[in-house]
Amino acid sequence: AQKITQTQPGMFVQEKEAVTLDCTYDTSDQSYGLFWYKQPSSGEMIFLIYQGSYDEQNATEGRYSLNFQKARKSANLVISASQLGDSAMYFCAMRPNFGNEKLTFGTGTRLTIIP
Amino acid sequence: AAGVIQSPRHLIKEKRETATLKCYPIPRHDTVYWYQQGPGQDPQFLISFYEKMQSDKGSIPDRFSAQQFSDYHSELNMSSLELGDSALYFCASSSRSIGRDYEQYFGPGTRLTVT
Repeated sequence: AQKITQTQPGMFVQEKEAVTLDCTYDTSDQSYGLFWYKQPSSGEMIFLIYQGSYDEQNATEGRYSLNFQKARKSANLVISASQLGDSAMYFCAMRPNFGNEKLTFGTGTRLTIIP
Repeated sequence: AAGVIQSPRHLIKEKRETATLKCYPIPRHDTVYWYQQGPGQDPQFLISFYEKMQSDKGSIPDRFSAQQFSDYHSELNMSSLELGDSALYFCASSSRSIGRDYEQYFGPGTRLTVT
């Protein structure tokens, strides 16, 4: 079974600052994937970034990067130069690469960007 | 680019009624997932289909059933609705044959309200 822990229920960050959203995970699988999704107040679930457990390099997608520390089982999301439009709920999720493919989500972090 | 289509976007039903939610995956995607997100909760996996066969099952009540049709669209049927079924229901799709099969693209969701 997989478990995702997001310990920050809410965060307030000044516009243009960088922000790190924490995510730790627990799994017995050797091969797995880690994901971050953004959910604005409108409700849709937007895929942001993916990190494979065997990827040696940290994933980056534009202003998003994933700080993957396998030994510590953490997959923190870093957003550089935050913008007002980044205000949303952020979910960390994971799934094994073999067998079932369902995503297991954390409880989310509500990020608010302050102008 | 085409995205996952869900219909209806909003649905209001009374207790004990039946609801049918529809999902049209991204063209050439062969796998469909259904998730339920209660108010203030993280999404919970319900069920998935690959090539029209059920591939995995999560915490889906017996009152719910789902299937994937020959054109790959999927329907989630919910009977004897209860107040606790009020939630945002997401459909997601992915492809095992195109590559980047780890990416699950989410639809906009159907918001079901049971009164």
